Amino acid sequence: AQSVTQPDIHITVSEGASLELRCNYSYGATPYLFWYVQSPGQGLQLLLKYFSGDTLVQGIKGFEAEFKRSQSSFNLRKPSVHWSDAAEYFCAVGARDTGRRALTFGSGTRLQVQP
Amino acid sequence: DSGVTQTPKHLITATGQRVTLRCSPRSGDLSVYWYQQSLDQGLQFLIQYYNGEERAKGNILERFSAQQFPDLHSELNLSSLELGDSALYFCASSVAARDSYEQYFGPGTRLTVT
Repeated sequence: AQSVTQPDIHITVSEGASLELRCNYSYGATPYLFWYVQSPGQGLQLLLKYFSGDTLVQGIKGFEAEFKRSQSSFNLRKPSVHWSDAAEYFCAVGARDTGRRALTFGSGTRLQVQP
Repeated sequence: DSGVTQTPKHLITATGQRVTLRCSPRSGDLSVYWYQQSLDQGLQFLIQYYNGEERAKGNILERFSAQQFPDLHSELNLSSLELGDSALYFCASSVAARDSYEQYFGPGTRLTVT
């Protein structure tokens, strides 16, 4: 079974600073990988996804993520954080080699942005 | 707006009661997934339906059941409710195409059991 670890429960960055949120997954093959964002009281919005090909993927709102097979990681980055990026971020993995398409989520990282 | 709708937005009920949560997927999406988000368990997959048929089960309690109707909307039924069932319940939908895997989430239904 697949699993996802987000080692940082809470991160605080200053507005304009760069951001990296960590995600490590456990899966026997190359998985499908996703980052979602959840603002307070809202649903989950898909930021970006990795299926295959280029290991650096671009998403919405200026986010990008890099798939590193050797490190089983899929870290999310943004070069300059805006106050509106304050939210909870979830990394998720999906099984590629089965028909099961349900996602397994990490526990989330709450991002706080200081002015 | 993801295009996935869920009703009601909030639900407050008492222990032992039964509730029904409703989800309408994005136009054209055949798969519907239900997830539960709670403080202690995080985001957990409950069940998936594809074109009216149950496709996969996750950590869904026997007191919970779901179905997907011919118009593709889905309902999640929760019965004999306990305090621990208080959570945010999300519905997500996806296209069933070979290389399309991403799921789009609705705004959720917040269930409070008192």
